[in-house]
Amino acid sequence: EVQLVQSGAEVKKAGDSLKISCKTSGYNFNNYWITWVRQLPGKGLDWVGNIYPGDSEAKYGPSMEGQVTLSVDKSVSTAYLHWSSLRASDTAMYYCARKLRCTGGSCTGLDWFDTWGPGTQVSVSS
Amino acid sequence: DIQLTQSPSSLSASVGDRVTITCRASQYISTFLNWYQQKPGKAPVLLIYDASTLQDGVPPRFSGSGSGTEFSLSISSLEPGDFATYYCQQSFNYPRSFGQGTKVDFK
Repeated sequence: EVQLVQSGAEVKKAGDSLKISCKTSGYNFNNYWITWVRQLPGKGLDWVGNIYPGDSEAKYGPSMEGQVTLSVDKSVSTAYLHWSSLRASDTAMYYCARKLRCTGGSCTGLDWFDTWGPGTQVSVSS
Repeated sequence: DIQLTQSPSSLSASVGDRVTITCRASQYISTFLNWYQQKPGKAPVLLIYDASTLQDGVPPRFSGSGSGTEFSLSISSLEPGDFATYYCQQSFNYPRSFGQGTKVDFK
């Protein structure tokens, strides 16, 4: 069974650093992108970025590019989302998800997020 | 960047109703469109990918259609567990993006 287990809720102050984790199991971690999605309080879903564990290639969304870093540790099948300096506006729920891709035919390039972690709540006070 | 606009933003319905949600893309995205369901306090769940392919385990009362820039998600007969917020998401280009969501609640 594919599972993504995320680290626990965090309460931080503006300016603090933070790394949250997404530990995976039940599949070959190296072969599937991991996506991160943010949800601000009472708001919709916002794509943060994704990373390919095989070579650590990462792509970032405009809302958080330059403010966060995605990384992986293949030895423990875990992906990370890291802030060097938190802002109060980073207060949100953060989800990780496995990304599947279509690799043949007319849907080549299509991808979707098939399995999600339960989320990590990050609260930052100013 | 590709913008996805869902309509309506919210709707009220009753058990047994047929419900349709629309997602419009700001540019051509072929069928690279997915739908997710999210219940309060829970992670999103994949319903449909490639515009119309039902994810394993999703009941057949859910269906998706469309291509190009216009897409829809339909629920043929609403059940109590379907009251939730629904999001479309495109994978045609980076950055990936979601619609703003459609909340389906009790009439």
